[in-house]
Order: sequence, then structure tokens, then C-alpha cells
Amino acid sequence: TQLLEQSPQFLSIQEGENLTVYCNSSSVFSSLQWYRQEPGEGPVLLVTVVTGGEVKKLKRLTFQFGDARKDSSLHITAAQPGDTGLYLCAGALSNFGNEKLTFGTGTRLTIIP
Amino acid sequence: DAGVIQSPRHEVTEMGQEVTLRCKPISGHDYLFWYRQTMMRGLELLIYFNNNVPIDDSGMPEDRFSAKMPNASFSTLKIQPSEPRDSAVYFCASSLVRGGEQYFGPGTRLTVT
Repeated sequence: TQLLEQSPQFLSIQEGENLTVYCNSSSVFSSLQWYRQEPGEGPVLLVTVVTGGEVKKLKRLTFQFGDARKDSSLHITAAQPGDTGLYLCAGALSNFGNEKLTFGTGTRLTIIP
Repeated sequence: DAGVIQSPRHEVTEMGQEVTLRCKPISGHDYLFWYRQTMMRGLELLIYFNNNVPIDDSGMPEDRFSAKMPNASFSTLKIQPSEPRDSAVYFCASSLVRGGEQYFGPGTRLTVT
């Protein structure tokens, strides 16, 4: 059983469109991170959210942490081909001392020029 | 800093052979993580160290897998004997603080035939 479920698993859209991907769990996380991974490379951190209801913006990317700290969303406005990649959410659980992250199942995003 | 360094980048071996993967974390980072990534199972945490001490190895698949961190600048993940189902990309990551951003290496793509 996956602790963090991401949806959709795959998403292919045209350049310029908007999209939202989701990260859901039944567990409460102390913090949640979003990573992007490009082919042949390791994941790279995009953002960390800590407070329930928190919203963070990174240029065209908007990240939201659910009020109950069980879920998160990533919204991309006017998608660009450079946004193509595997998006992973990762949560830190307080019962593990917040030392390790549990990664989600991932959303593989393709932006078509 | 050069980032997290992993070697080799690619490894092809026959079933039954011993495989050793190597990792040099970012200098000063107290946490080191070993992950395995496959299409079927996503990114799975195998083991992590804090100040060179193994903290949680509950993700290690079985006794064929072992990991060591003899000093702050070097860690190994060993598989003996290797099996075809071990084929995956293995990532090493390091972190400065508890629950903080994890910096991933480029990964080792392992193929066991």
C-alpha cells in the first residue's frame, strides 16, 4: 500500500495549457516537498510546504498544502516544454522523527510544443 | 561543491555476481540515503544513515543487500548475489538537516542479466 498516491499517473498536454497534479494520503505529514526529475538525473527539490493551508508560488508553479496536512497540489500555469518531467511529492512523518521522506508514486508530465 | 557523486553510472552484470555501488555525499551533510527506483515501484528508500550510523534499514529487500558508511565522505551499497529483479536505478542522496532538502546523485543504472 502506497502511503502517498499521486494523480494522474501520466499527463500529456499542449504548451500553454494549465494543469494540476495531486498528492494524497491518509497520513498527516509534518512537511511535504515537491521534486522534479528529468531523464537520467536524480530528483531536484522545487519547494517545501510546512503549514496546513500554505500556498507557495514559484514563477508559473503554485503549490498548496492541505489544511489537514494530508494532501497537496501542484498547479502549473501556461505549461512550457521545459516543465516536462517526473513530479514527485515526498512527506516527512513525525513518528519517524521527520528524518526520512516517503515519496509518492509520481506524475509523469509531458508538454507538447 | 560537486554535489553527490555516485559510481559507476552504469553497471551490467550477470546473475549471481557481487555488485558494489558507491556514493560520496556533499561535504558537511549529516544524512545519507540510498533509494531504488523502478517503473513498477517508484522511488523506494532502502536505508539511511545519520552521522555514519545506520538508522533505518527496513527498506532493504533482503539479506543479499548490505550498506556501509565507514566515514562521512563515503558509502557503499552491496548486492551479493545479484538477481535480475535487482535491476533498477539506485540513487544516493544527502541532507544537511533532519527532514530537509535531499540532494540526489545522478544514480547508478544496474542491469542484472
